[in-house]
Amino acid sequence: DQQVKQNSPSLSVQEGRISILNCDYTNSMFDYFLWYKKYPAEGPTFLISISSIKDKNEDGRFTVFLNKSAKHLSLHIVPSQPGDSAVYFCAASARTGNQFYFGTGTSLTVIP
Amino acid sequence: ETGVTQSPTHLIKTRGQQVTLRCSSQSGHNTVSWYQQALGQGPQFIFQYYREEENGRGNFPPRFSGLQFPNYSSELNVNALELDDSALYLCASSFDGAGGNTQYFGPGTRLTVL
Repeated sequence: DQQVKQNSPSLSVQEGRISILNCDYTNSMFDYFLWYKKYPAEGPTFLISISSIKDKNEDGRFTVFLNKSAKHLSLHIVPSQPGDSAVYFCAASARTGNQFYFGTGTSLTVIP
Repeated sequence: ETGVTQSPTHLIKTRGQQVTLRCSSQSGHNTVSWYQQALGQGPQFIFQYYREEENGRGNFPPRFSGLQFPNYSSELNVNALELDDSALYLCASSFDGAGGNTQYFGPGTRLTVL
């Protein structure tokens, strides 16, 4: 039972444009969300987080939006750079729990 | 500040063997979580250790076991290896066992079972 879903396996965008990566979840107990970036042969690198008391969190070129009623979050990267090409995972947890549930990832390619 | 480290980076075993993977947590962190990532999938939670005690377990059989040491480093042991155990094994450390704390990952150990 996949509680966190990333329905787009891949995404290609032009350098300088916006990249939007989407994530849906089913468990209404989830209240803390993370985005990770992963290069081949490396572990996931933490990018940005958001808790359910917010609907937006921004860190430089990265912004995460949370729509609790739709159980949907998205990661916006503006402007996209070739070095952003990687697999992006969203993860969700409940603060009362102890594990994160991950999506299957979206492979982003930024074309120079 | 030292990041999360894992050893070895790669490992090849045969079916039925046993394997031990190691993880050193980021300094200041007392919690280690282990994940299995199969090809094309997201990481799947195996278990978590918090202050040397198991603090939650995912849907993995008992042949997956672990330890956490007083310095908060950790081991993942897998007995009676099966072909499906071939995967990237990731450990992640965090400050506290709760789900509301960001987990930081190591580079992983690639296990191949032949």
